[in-house]
Amino acid sequence: KAGVTQTPRYLIKTRGQQVTLSCSPISGHRSVSWYQQTPGQGLQFLFEYFSETQRNKGNFPGRFSGRQFSNSRSEMNVSTLELGDSALYLCASSFGGSGNTIYFGEGSWLTVV
Amino acid sequence: DAKTTQPNSMESNEEEPVHLPCNHSTISGTDYIHWYRQLPSQGPEYVIHGLTSNVNNRMASLAIAEDRKSSTLILHRATLRDAAVYYCILSPSGTALIFGKGTTLSVSS
Repeated sequence: KAGVTQTPRYLIKTRGQQVTLSCSPISGHRSVSWYQQTPGQGLQFLFEYFSETQRNKGNFPGRFSGRQFSNSRSEMNVSTLELGDSALYLCASSFGGSGNTIYFGEGSWLTVV
Repeated sequence: DAKTTQPNSMESNEEEPVHLPCNHSTISGTDYIHWYRQLPSQGPEYVIHGLTSNVNNRMASLAIAEDRKSSTLILHRATLRDAAVYYCILSPSGTALIFGKGTTLSVSS
């Protein structure tokens, strides 16, 4: 079956702009979570959506937001981009239960210049 | 969130078994133990997870101590493709994973 799909894979934005990243989860999965990976901070949890509701949230500023649609697809948005937002953004999906397996996508590489 | 402690790096030879340790002395009763690995420029790949009992799958085995304060990921026969950063993660929710720095595994031929 198809894995977690993220688009776009690579993008370059200018400081101050905003960006929207998209994630299509594995069919049947209702939980979608987002992570940021940078060389300095490693992999950090951003937030998780389950059935269109944000269920968990990491420690990121309000410039980072997300949403989930009725078909479980999810988007995350970063407004007023800063140079430090340059990172690999990873999406993961699962059925949503505590013992379920979580599958990651290949990520979206964002460069802010 | 409960923390895990892993060695920064480990080395292995091809075809040999690899035992990757993880300490989690503050684990709670509802924490699942997850293992993921990540190759450069790729998303993390699920390896295995468990709660109390030892677990086996086609990739690896997970041995969980009786008091659950430590666990060991076992790769039965290391290959060059197993060279990666291995993360041991505790999660009660199963959906908000808190990653540490992991163990960088090097495999030599």
